Amino acid sequence: NAGVTQTPKFRVLKTGQSMTLLCAQDMNHEYMYWYRQDPGMGLRLIHYSVGEGTTAKGEVPDGYNVSRLKKQNFLLGLESAAPSQTSVYFCASSYRDTTYEQYFGPGTRLTVT
Amino acid sequence: AQSVAQPEDQVNVAEGNPLTVKCTYSVSGNPYLFWYVQYPNRGLQFLLKYITGDNLVKGSYGFEAEFNKSQTSFHLKKPSALVSDSALYFCAVRDPPYGGSQGNLIFGKGTKLSVKP
Repeated sequence: NAGVTQTPKFRVLKTGQSMTLLCAQDMNHEYMYWYRQDPGMGLRLIHYSVGEGTTAKGEVPDGYNVSRLKKQNFLLGLESAAPSQTSVYFCASSYRDTTYEQYFGPGTRLTVT
Repeated sequence: AQSVAQPEDQVNVAEGNPLTVKCTYSVSGNPYLFWYVQYPNRGLQFLLKYITGDNLVKGSYGFEAEFNKSQTSFHLKKPSALVSDSALYFCAVRDPPYGGSQGNLIFGKGTKLSVKP
């Protein structure tokens, strides 16, 4: 039981490049989330999904897209990376809605130069 | 707007002493409150939550939190701190799922706990 895994762990991009972050969970959770963590700002929700095939915008969705084609996977895409997207990205999942505890992945540290 | 505040960026405690990490909230209706911990270079881990019921909530690793409705606070406590408790602690409140909100969590900015031997 691996819990929540994220790929890759580190990545450096140049401005304008694109990439996809992969999140996978093996707990059969319905809800999945993408957050970004910046110093002194806590966690901010980018996008989330309440089930396979669904996605919704969070607090800071601009510049990101997501897909949830399979229940266990939640992909975060950056189409044209900007330095402002330098951050640590965390994926999380929960059994159902946000009254349930969220399980977090180990994070992806992204630097955009 | 719903919000949560952690008024201390850092808390320093000697090992063996009690610790308190403060959290206050502003939310309409009954609050759903959470504490998470983040160890260096790791993701967040759930500690405890308050949904309803007893104002004193017990969680993982010997932590507990006291819900105080009149003071709109949800402070995290531990009777005897360990060096291994040194980490970043986040308080979170659930944004009530009505009026256009989807019920997502709003996190505080985090409090760094440092426990010295």
